[in-house]
Amino acid sequence: DTEVTQTPKHLVMGMTNKKSLKCEQHMGHRAMYWYKQKAKKPPELMFVYSYEKLSINESVPSRFSPECPNSSLLNLHLHALQPEDSALYLCASSQDTVPPPWDEQFFGPGTRLTVL
Amino acid sequence: TQLLEQSPQFLSIQEGENLTVYCNSSSVFSSLQWYRQEPGEGPVLLVTVVTGGEVKKLKRLTFQFGDARKDSSLHITAAQPGDTGLYLCAGGNNNAGNMLTFGGGTRLMVKP
Repeated sequence: DTEVTQTPKHLVMGMTNKKSLKCEQHMGHRAMYWYKQKAKKPPELMFVYSYEKLSINESVPSRFSPECPNSSLLNLHLHALQPEDSALYLCASSQDTVPPPWDEQFFGPGTRLTVL
Repeated sequence: TQLLEQSPQFLSIQEGENLTVYCNSSSVFSSLQWYRQEPGEGPVLLVTVVTGGEVKKLKRLTFQFGDARKDSSLHITAAQPGDTGLYLCAGGNNNAGNMLTFGGGTRLMVKP
């Protein structure tokens, strides 16, 4: 099973709303990632969690708040977003962030976010 | 900062034609992954190559990792409309916590 699931599939929110994106994997992977992808562009890394601890924050604005409740779950809390934050948000997971000597990232289907 | 240049950016071909997509860098990568992504969906991993000179085949797709592990290519034989999508290469670096460096993507359209 190489499946990463994400909910919701689509999300429309206003700039004053608070919402959360959810990601789940049951592959026993210990690293999980959030990416943002704009149309016709490659994914851009936002956050990396390794063993449930935040290891990388790619200078993401504080209106995006990640959370890793356990090794299978990853959330992204959204608050006071801007229209330019509209994008496809992708979650990914990999076995370990210290691979011997390489690793693979498996992506979820994404959440299409629209900020009005 | 590692960069991956992917070419071409866009390719429109007829069914049955062959094509090659290239990813080039001046940096060495510990692995090179190829993904295919359809609109509104997440990237799907096609293959990972890790050894310089390695060649992997997946049905009509042939992937090659350069001897110096700085470049890679994806060759599709007898393309079909179902091959249409965005192809992404991504380089992994053991020293960067498994952060992937993505190429800019190749948008492939195969016309019936």
